[in-house]
Amino acid sequence: GQSLEQPSEVTAVEGAIVQMNCTYQTSGFYGLSWYQQHDGGAPTFLSYNALDGLEETGRFSSFLSRSDSYGYLLLQELQMKDSASYFCAVIERNRDDKIIFGKGTRLHILP
Amino acid sequence: EPEVTQTPSHQVTQMGQEVILRCVPISNHLYFYWYRQILGQKVEFLVSFYNNEISEKSEIFDDQFSVERPDGSNFTLKIRSTKLEDSAMYFCASTGTGNSPLHFGNGTRLTVT
Repeated sequence: GQSLEQPSEVTAVEGAIVQMNCTYQTSGFYGLSWYQQHDGGAPTFLSYNALDGLEETGRFSSFLSRSDSYGYLLLQELQMKDSASYFCAVIERNRDDKIIFGKGTRLHILP
Repeated sequence: EPEVTQTPSHQVTQMGQEVILRCVPISNHLYFYWYRQILGQKVEFLVSFYNNEISEKSEIFDDQFSVERPDGSNFTLKIRSTKLEDSAMYFCASTGTGNSPLHFGNGTRLTVT
């Protein structure tokens, strides 16, 4: 089966940088995605890694190490609007019709 | 930008009643999903649907649940006999290929009383 571990909460200061980690266990691995969810809203896609290394999209970067079954999402120049939950999600190899989400990290931003 | 739409936004029903949650995925997408999120918890996979049939389902998706794509645009989730613990937000999602980003609808909040 699959399992994903994320810290439940992280607190950071406006303007700072924050890293949110995700470790996973899966019988096969195809890729790791990150989604943002504001309270009462739907998850929205942020980033995807299939290969080792860093993917950058503006203030958001995502990193993957397949050998360590580990990834992280990095947010720079934090803004109050970044307060949300962040979920990592695993796509299983040859089972790309099943995408499993972690429990999410709640990001609190202090002014 | 095309989007996934879900109706209704909020559904209240009594325990034991049947409910149908409706979704219109993005028109050129091929993979369709239902997820459930109990308040404050993680997004849980229920079922995926491809080529007019269920391709994968979770242990949550028991005999009380069913999905249909009755025409070329709608994708429905039916719960035959609702239980209190079915109260949750239900999200529909679609994607063009299996490893493309999921596009989520705004969800239906189901309240079972």
